[in-house]
Amino acid sequence: DIVITQSPLSLPVTPGEPASISCRSSQSLLHADGYTYLDWYMQKPGQSPQLLIFMASNRASGVPDRFSGSGSGTDFTLKISRVEAEDVGVYYCMQALQTPLTFGGGTKVEIK
Amino acid sequence: EVQLLESGGGLVQPGGSLRLSCAASGFTFSSYGMSWVRQAPGKGLEWVSGIRGSDGSTYYADSVKGRFTISRDNSKNTLYLQMNSLRVEDMAVYYCAKGTVGATPMDVWGKGTTVTVSS
Repeated sequence: DIVITQSPLSLPVTPGEPASISCRSSQSLLHADGYTYLDWYMQKPGQSPQLLIFMASNRASGVPDRFSGSGSGTDFTLKISRVEAEDVGVYYCMQALQTPLTFGGGTKVEIK
Repeated sequence: EVQLLESGGGLVQPGGSLRLSCAASGFTFSSYGMSWVRQAPGKGLEWVSGIRGSDGSTYYADSVKGRFTISRDNSKNTLYLQMNSLRVEDMAVYYCAKGTVGATPMDVWGKGTTVTVSS
């Protein structure tokens, strides 16, 4: 199984400041079709998860452009250019290259 | 509006069975792969099972293989998860999601249904 490791575990942020979450996989997530199957999800308190970024760098429909995803192979980053209060929650990266799909342990973003 | 609505959760004793359902609306259900993802109390997300829309191929996490069965009824726009031989560690909120392995990210999620396994 592909192991996904996220860091940090907790991320206190100041509104208006940038934030960054790292995600590392135990093997390359580049498929033979040329796409990289790494997705980012956010779960706000008391809510279901929601898709933020798919295939490493594509923002999902309705996601604000302050969210961006980057990376390739085994190393990926989710960046929030300017954190807003509504961004608090737990962020997960997940590999969709092969089954079983596997999630990182999550990063809890909270306001300082 | 695209919607997923789970049902069927509840309290069951260890060793018991439950069948979860997920009613889909607002999209062509038969064209999409679907997944079940669970979240134990205070824990992170765990993918449980997926089923492709194209050929109905099914996939399972090792933790549920041989005990859980995913299926779909495209005529009813409904996804199912038959859960047998339930264990305490299966206790979680179970989410239904549109999307599965590969180029179909999980872009729509239901609100979840709670499964409690306790004697």
